[in-house]
Amino acid sequence: GENVEQHPSTLSVQEGDSAVIKCTYSDSASNYFPWYKQELGKRPQLIIDIRSNVGEKKDQRIAVTLNKTAKHFSLHITETQPEDSAVYFCAASIRAGANNLFFGTGTRLTVIP
Amino acid sequence: DTEVTQTPKHLVMGMTNKKSLKCEQHMGHRAMYWYKQKAKKPPELMFVYSYEKLSINESVPSRFSPECPNSSLLNLHLHALQPEDSALYLCASSPDRQALNTEAFFGQGTRLTVV
Repeated sequence: GENVEQHPSTLSVQEGDSAVIKCTYSDSASNYFPWYKQELGKRPQLIIDIRSNVGEKKDQRIAVTLNKTAKHFSLHITETQPEDSAVYFCAASIRAGANNLFFGTGTRLTVIP
Repeated sequence: DTEVTQTPKHLVMGMTNKKSLKCEQHMGHRAMYWYKQKAKKPPELMFVYSYEKLSINESVPSRFSPECPNSSLLNLHLHALQPEDSALYLCASSPDRQALNTEAFFGQGTRLTVV
């Protein structure tokens, strides 16, 4: 099965700085890579996703890059705000249709005001 | 309606009890999932239903029994659980369009404590 590794496990940044979280995956057949944000006691919520036919995707302060050759993808958050503080999970899916998501171990991001 | 609704929000049960977790969505999604999430860990897939049929069972013990009565509902029947089964149980759904992966929407979860 797919193995997704995520780094760092914790990340603290000053408000306004950028944050970068990196993930690697093992199965070259993986073709869908979502990122979820989970605040304490709440549900995981999708913040951005990318498919394997695209190298980069941006949505306001959030961007994701994908390197299929190296099998890694990254989340970039610019101009961080305190409300960005949460746990972020990357994931990879190797099936079309019903998503069999394999999650990374998570990154706890703290934005210091 | 873009929500996945789970009931109950919290559940405490004894090891000899039988209980059920319920999940409902009205987004027309044809794939539904159960995930288990322990504290400070990522969600782990338990079961996948595609068009009301069980398509994936990730080697889950038989004390967890899923059921999909129709395309909007997903249940998880619990019996003879162990304290280590205490966790947040998340339901999710997605459109299940062939040849295209799409966003999975998560419910708020049921926090289960086995005593």
